[in-house]
Amino acid sequence: QKEVEQNSGPLSVPEGAIASLNCTYSDRGSQSFFWYRQYSGKSPELIMSIYSNGDKEDGRFTAQLNKASQYVSLLIRDSQPSDSATYLCAVNEDSGYALNFGKGTSLLVTP
Amino acid sequence: KAGVTQTPRYLIKTRGQQVTLSCSPISGHRSVSWYQQTPGQGLQFLFEYFSETQRNKGNFPGRFSGRQFSNSRSEMNVSTLELGDSALYLCASSAGTTKEKLFFGSGTQLSVL
Repeated sequence: QKEVEQNSGPLSVPEGAIASLNCTYSDRGSQSFFWYRQYSGKSPELIMSIYSNGDKEDGRFTAQLNKASQYVSLLIRDSQPSDSATYLCAVNEDSGYALNFGKGTSLLVTP
Repeated sequence: KAGVTQTPRYLIKTRGQQVTLSCSPISGHRSVSWYQQTPGQGLQFLFEYFSETQRNKGNFPGRFSGRQFSNSRSEMNVSTLELGDSALYLCASSAGTTKEKLFFGSGTQLSVL
């Protein structure tokens, strides 16, 4: 059973701080990795994708991938209350056409 | 560009009934995937269609089925509904390559009584 593991949280950080979200995966054949944000009562929204080892930055978001350790992380700099949401890590399965999602980490940014 | 459209937004059914959910992908997207989201299990993959062909199927019973039409619109059907089928059903579209990002619709909230 291929698994994507996330700490369910809640992770609470003060406004302006860096939020660090982590994800591990079991399928060594995975090639594509995504972070989705889901607000309560809404559908998931893609915020980052990463395909090769290292860091990828987009605005306040940085995704980090380490395939040897089977580890993906998302850093949110200068966290804002509007960042409060559930963050879902998703990994493509080796067949290539399905995403395996973690159960998400709830992030709370306090003013 | 219009997003992914799912209908209906809410459904209430009773055990034993069947239900059909509809999804219209983003214009130009040929891949449609379906996911079930519950508080306990999170997002679970149901199936994926590309150009009217099912390319992938998740670990769900045969009561769950789907199809895709020539215009890329997709439907999923659940027969003989069970209480445990109560969930948010999400449709996502993409261009269809392995690295393509998924764009989700607003979902259909199904309640089985």
